Amino acid sequence: GQQVMQIPQYQHVQEGEDFTTYCNSSTTLSNIQWYKQRPGGHPVFLIQLVKSGEVKKQKRLTFQFGEAKKNSSLHITATQTTDVGTYFCAGEPYGQNFVFGPGTRLSVLP
Amino acid sequence: EPEVTQTPSHQVTQMGQEVILRCVPISNHLYFYWYRQILGQKVEFLVSFYNNEISEKSEIFDDQFSVERPDGSNFTLKIRSTKLEDSAMYFCASISGGDEQYFGPGTRLTVT
Repeated sequence: GQQVMQIPQYQHVQEGEDFTTYCNSSTTLSNIQWYKQRPGGHPVFLIQLVKSGEVKKQKRLTFQFGEAKKNSSLHITATQTTDVGTYFCAGEPYGQNFVFGPGTRLSVLP
Repeated sequence: EPEVTQTPSHQVTQMGQEVILRCVPISNHLYFYWYRQILGQKVEFLVSFYNNEISEKSEIFDDQFSVERPDGSNFTLKIRSTKLEDSAMYFCASISGGDEQYFGPGTRLTVT
């Protein structure tokens, strides 16, 4: 079946350092979404990428969708303690429902 | 800002019992979903619902599971005979037809 992988599983950074999580799908995607889940919370939608090679920015967050529409990345510049949480990608293959990646858990040390 | 609500926030049940988890999606949304998340693991798709019927379901969503939209606002997930491995957070989500899925706060199901 279709699989979505994410690396790293965990990332510990010092406040102010950058952070990147990578998402890879075994199949081509129609689009990919990114979510953030705070400890004890629910997934909160961050962004959707649809076009091949698309890059979107939200303040300190930069999202990329690969040319082949099978991989994506989320980069956070100058992390803050409020960035703590688990970041999930969710890929939507054509004609199918979303498959979530296992997530990258980010810890930010003050 | 409109939000998805779920009740109860925590449900404890004995193995073999039936449970019903309730969700109130955002009022003008058309697509509804149930997901589950076992503690510390990824979010797993269970079922999607559109136009009063199931549009897709995963392998997890076996005969023990069912969904209903009994009225214009509620969306329920029923587990007929719970098993220990059904213990998880269950999230409801809704979408208007655009891109953003709005997740509810979840129901923590504990099967003992």
